[in-house]
Amino acid sequence: GNSVTQMEGPVTLSEEAFLTINCTYTATGYPSLFWYVQYPGEGLQLLLKATKADDKGSNKGFEATYRKETTSFHLEKGSVQVSDSAVYFCALREVTGGGNKLTFGTGTQLKVEL
Amino acid sequence: DSGVTQTPKHLITATGQRVTLRCSPRSGDLSVYWYQQSLDQGLQFLIQYYNGEERAKGNILERFSAQQFPDLHSELNLSSLELGDSALYFCASQRGGQGNEQFFGPGTRLTVL
Repeated sequence: GNSVTQMEGPVTLSEEAFLTINCTYTATGYPSLFWYVQYPGEGLQLLLKATKADDKGSNKGFEATYRKETTSFHLEKGSVQVSDSAVYFCALREVTGGGNKLTFGTGTQLKVEL
Repeated sequence: DSGVTQTPKHLITATGQRVTLRCSPRSGDLSVYWYQQSLDQGLQFLIQYYNGEERAKGNILERFSAQQFPDLHSELNLSSLELGDSALYFCASQRGGQGNEQFFGPGTRLTVL
């Protein structure tokens, strides 16, 4: 079946450092890919998405490019802030009959320190 | 605030019991999804309803069931609870059945003692 693999956390960075969180996937067909963010005590929020190969999703300084050849969707940000501290989930969406489902990676906790 | 509400926020119960979790989707959203987030299994899709009908099923146990009512709110029923059912249960809603963004509620934390 489909699966998503993310790098283990926690990732601890200093403010203004460069962030990369790796994500690779296994899927049949061409799923849509997502990054979600979960702040402490809250539900998940969509951060960015890409629906086809070579698409780049971007939001709030975060970017990720859908790479079909390497089946990857790595999350990057050039300069992180303390407020970016959260858990980040990579996910793929597969369409199943009349519905769809999201398959998530295990999540990567990011801690940004001053 | 995503516009999706879930009640209760916290639930503590004993093994063998039955509980009901409730979700109200955003206004106008026809799809409701249920997810379970646990330390062991991570975040897993359980089930999707669209306008009252089941549309997709994931790793939902037979002891669990869900439904979506005519006013579009949804309930997830968990019975014969086991310690391993302790988790955060999220509901998400979506405008249509497939392509739009899912908006997540704040979750219900279930603790089974």
